[in-house]
Amino acid sequence: NAGVTQTPKFQVLKTGQSMTLQCAQDMNHNSMYWYRQDPGMGLRLIYYSASEGTTDKGEVPNGYNVSRLNKREFSLRLESAAPSQTSVYFCASSGGQTSNQPQHFGDGTRLSIL
Amino acid sequence: GDSVTQMEGPVTLSEEAFLTINCTYTATGYPSLFWYVQYPGEGLQLLLKATKADDKGSNKGFEATYRKETTSFHLEKGSVQVSDSAVYFCALRGLNRDDKIIFGKGTRLHILP
Repeated sequence: NAGVTQTPKFQVLKTGQSMTLQCAQDMNHNSMYWYRQDPGMGLRLIYYSASEGTTDKGEVPNGYNVSRLNKREFSLRLESAAPSQTSVYFCASSGGQTSNQPQHFGDGTRLSIL
Repeated sequence: GDSVTQMEGPVTLSEEAFLTINCTYTATGYPSLFWYVQYPGEGLQLLLKATKADDKGSNKGFEATYRKETTSFHLEKGSVQVSDSAVYFCALRGLNRDDKIIFGKGTRLHILP
């Protein structure tokens, strides 16, 4: 009963390095999301994908890129990491065509940029 | 645009105390409303939801009633336990198919034994 799986769980990078955060869901959901969570800021949407083949910017997209590889997978890439991107990153997915469908979250990736 | 406002924490209570975490929202029409819980080191989990006015969502002893007249969805529990210590997020999702979920900033709850 995996749900939403994120890898890695922890990562430390140096400023300027690049990396890709991976996310996969096994619930056949159409929509997938990337959030960052910072103390006192709640969750902020970075990018989302309403369906396979589409992606859109959220509230804080600068410094990030995404790829919806297929229906299951949605990756987040940091091309040149900055200390301001130190955060906990959550991937989520939701299914159905109605507004009462909740989002299902992964356990997060804790990313530190030195 | 749509928004969610919830009481700031942290909230500290003794075990078996009554809990209320306030949540109010701004939205057009009748959005769906949610409470999520986040335990330390984990992602958010859906706690309960309500999809229309006067609906009551409930789960694990927690309840919240969708109040259209006051645009509120307050979370309550009659007797909290130490294991309820977590961060609680109120959220809404609008009527349109492409609407995203809007989260409040979260309320941290500490329960003392």
